[in-house]
Amino acid sequence: EPEVTQTPSHQVTQMGQEVILRCVPISNHLYFYWYRQILGQKVEFLVSFYNNEISEKSEIFDDQFSVERPDGSNFTLKIRSTKLEDSAMYFCASSEIRDYLSSYEQYFGPGTRLTVT
Amino acid sequence: DAKTTQPNSMESNEEEPVHLPCNHSTISGTDYIHWYRQLPSQGPEYVIHGLTSNVNNRMASLAIAEDRKSSTLILHRATLRDAAVYYCSPPFYGKLTFGQGTILTVHP
Repeated sequence: EPEVTQTPSHQVTQMGQEVILRCVPISNHLYFYWYRQILGQKVEFLVSFYNNEISEKSEIFDDQFSVERPDGSNFTLKIRSTKLEDSAMYFCASSEIRDYLSSYEQYFGPGTRLTVT
Repeated sequence: DAKTTQPNSMESNEEEPVHLPCNHSTISGTDYIHWYRQLPSQGPEYVIHGLTSNVNNRMASLAIAEDRKSSTLILHRATLRDAAVYYCSPPFYGKLTFGQGTILTVHP
């Protein structure tokens, strides 16, 4: 069964450093998403991406964050200058299509645990 | 975004059915109702979704109220592996909103 994969599973970085989290969505999916979950808190939407453009982003997704689809398979989340409060699990998700009816389910990866020290 | 209300926690015994309710009284007429679950230390996992009529798949059933202001996720025979946090979320332009969800505990 196809699945979303994410690398690395755990990333430790120092405050102020740049990190890139990588995701390989399911191959025939067209929409891609990043969510994050701070320890003990709820899963929060960060950004959605379609056709090489950001479709929507949350207030959390500020100028420190960027997303890219550098090739036909990878989808990345970059944090330019990490802060302590960026420590969280970051989940990538993909779906076949997203329309107004939101009729397609999202498939999530296992997550990358980011620890900023 | 539609607001959702779910009980904080529920308990069940193994092999028994579980009914997990969700109120989404502000849902629009065209938003699907999605259910996801999150097992410990894992990412959210899609369970089921529907619009108006009841839906069944290999994991669960979804019963949707006629006025669409509430829905119930039904696990027909709970297993220990079903212990998780269950979320209902009407996506808004694809954006899933996860509330606190319902923590389901399954007793052997």
